[in-house]
Amino acid sequence: KAGVTQTPRYLIKTRGQQVTLSCSPISGHRSVSWYQQTPGQGLQFLFEYFSETQRNKGNFPGRFSGRQFSNSRSEMNVSTLELGDSALYLCASSVRSTYYEQYFGPGTRLTVT
Amino acid sequence: ELKVEQNPLFLSMQEGKNYTIYCNYSTTSDRLYWYRQDPGKSLESLFVLLSNGAVKQEGRLMASLDTKARLSTLHITAAVHDLSATYFCAVDGDYGGATNKLIFGTGTLLAVQP
Repeated sequence: KAGVTQTPRYLIKTRGQQVTLSCSPISGHRSVSWYQQTPGQGLQFLFEYFSETQRNKGNFPGRFSGRQFSNSRSEMNVSTLELGDSALYLCASSVRSTYYEQYFGPGTRLTVT
Repeated sequence: ELKVEQNPLFLSMQEGKNYTIYCNYSTTSDRLYWYRQDPGKSLESLFVLLSNGAVKQEGRLMASLDTKARLSTLHITAAVHDLSATYFCAVDGDYGGATNKLIFGTGTLLAVQP
């Protein structure tokens, strides 16, 4: 069974630009969660989608948004990039919402210059 | 606000030695997760502890959960260099809710020296 895939793996953007990251969950998984990992703040929850609905959102500004498609693939978008948005963005998929083991993708390394 | 604390933050140990990583959390949760992360890599699930008193073992690693003390431990037995990585614990950030939000600890960087 293929694992969680994320594209692109590496990305360099300039302040003020916007970026879209993509996540394809494991086949049959309907929940996709997004996390940001930085050296200073560690791993922080961004949001979770289940059956195309956002179920929960972390404490991030509105510049961070996401969506999920009918095939469970998910995208997250960051607008008006700031230097502090440089991070590893991880997505995780789970069979369903609530208390099921999450499997993480390889991540997208975003660098904002 | 839910907090998850790990200690130590950094652990340098010799091969063959035993040690324990501690994970304390501040709110009700009966499920706890341990992940491993190698440098530049993603998170690999190690253990999912689903109830008070749960104990799971895989190779040289053993994890346990005490929900009354809000404490989980990850015990390393006879460490080998291949165990060098960063270890994270995480708890459900929406206990009793309906989402998969995880709150992660700060991580413990384990370096096993030959």
